Amino acid sequence: GAGVSQSPRYKVAKRGQDVALRCDPISGHVSLFWYQQALGQGPEFLTYFQNEAQLDKSGLPSDRFFAERPEGSVSTLKIQRTQQEDSAVYLCASSKSLGNEKLFFGSGTQLSVL
Amino acid sequence: DQQVKQNSPSLSVQEGRISILNCDYTNSMFDYFLWYKKYPAEGPTFLISISSIKDKNEDGRFTVFLNKSAKHLSLHIVPSQPGDSAVYFCAAPQEDSNYQLIWGAGTKLIIKP
Repeated sequence: GAGVSQSPRYKVAKRGQDVALRCDPISGHVSLFWYQQALGQGPEFLTYFQNEAQLDKSGLPSDRFFAERPEGSVSTLKIQRTQQEDSAVYLCASSKSLGNEKLFFGSGTQLSVL
Repeated sequence: DQQVKQNSPSLSVQEGRISILNCDYTNSMFDYFLWYKKYPAEGPTFLISISSIKDKNEDGRFTVFLNKSAKHLSLHIVPSQPGDSAVYFCAAPQEDSNYQLIWGAGTKLIIKP
């Protein structure tokens, strides 16, 4: 498809389990962002890639969170030893420019940690 | 302190009338502001933006007004249509970052037929 694709759409994890969330950005988009959205809140920035380079990871909540984009296209957000407070919708967005003025978002992965 | 606030969790408007969604901010150094629209089970979609050097930007039925002295912006939708029912977020770029957006909590707009 032409849009940003995220998988899985839903993920249920037991506390302590590791999870991996995938993002396929729009082809040719240079910039890729990960956001976390809690229920009833706006998205919160996690990390930013420009091609394969992770230029900003200041929003990652802890060292249990890790993101990569090794070939400058598909990105994976990994959460180790999941905890209940990690439950949220994880949104991926891409942009053809270096800025963040017009982002194209995927539908998100809803993570529930039991 | 850099915050973007949407103080109305929800708004109900009659079809055909004007919808006005409000957003307040704390940092006078924001360069621009964005409005995104989100349907259930979908990601946010860019709607309209405004530069901090302007006080109005219009795109079809959507107009955003910026009042810098009040640190307030509003999104006007006229006339409102059933397909406008969604959650609307305002956002601004964090001053000390090229990549981070700060988002409001969103306002759920319900258009009544």
